[in-house]
Amino acid sequence: KAGVTQTPRYLIKTRGQQVTLSCSPISGHRSVSWYQQTPGQGLQFLFEYFSETQRNKGNFPGRFSGRQFSNSRSEMNVSTLELGDSALYLCASSSEQGAKNIQYFGAGTRLSVL
Amino acid sequence: DAKTTQPPSMDCAEGRAANLPCNHSTISGNEYVYWYRQIHSQGPQYIIHGLKNNETNEMASLIITEDRKSSTLILPHATLRDTAVYYCIVRVRSYGQNFVFGPGTRLSVLP
Repeated sequence: KAGVTQTPRYLIKTRGQQVTLSCSPISGHRSVSWYQQTPGQGLQFLFEYFSETQRNKGNFPGRFSGRQFSNSRSEMNVSTLELGDSALYLCASSSEQGAKNIQYFGAGTRLSVL
Repeated sequence: DAKTTQPPSMDCAEGRAANLPCNHSTISGNEYVYWYRQIHSQGPQYIIHGLKNNETNEMASLIITEDRKSSTLILPHATLRDTAVYYCIVRVRSYGQNFVFGPGTRLSVLP
């Protein structure tokens, strides 16, 4: 079974631009979570989607948004990029079946804002 | 979710057992202990989780004290590829709940 796939792997943008990152979850997984990882703040939760609905949200400004499609694929968007948005963005999927509730992470998208 | 405390770094000789401790003194009865690791610049990898009984899988063993206030992740025969940051997380096992990652323990396996 294929793992969580994130595209692109690397991205370079300039301040003020916007960016869209994509995540394809493990087949059959309906929950997708997004995290931001920076050297200063570590891994921080952005939001979680389940069945096309945002179910949980972290403490990030409204410039960070996401959505989930009917096939469970998810995108996150960052508008009006700032230098501080440079980070590794990680997507994780989990199954609602069974009792384990384990999140499986993709390799991430490394975003550099210049 | 309960807060966890882990040593910032540890060394282990290749081939020896690596024992990574985690304190979670405020853990509540319905919170599980999860362990993940992150090899440099990759996504975190699930290792193991448990509630109160010791658990073992192909990657590691998890030992949880009887009072559940601390736990130890054991990598029985550490290899250079086990060099990573290891995260101990306690959380309720309910859907829609995110993981709260602390700074973790940076394990260096030395040749």
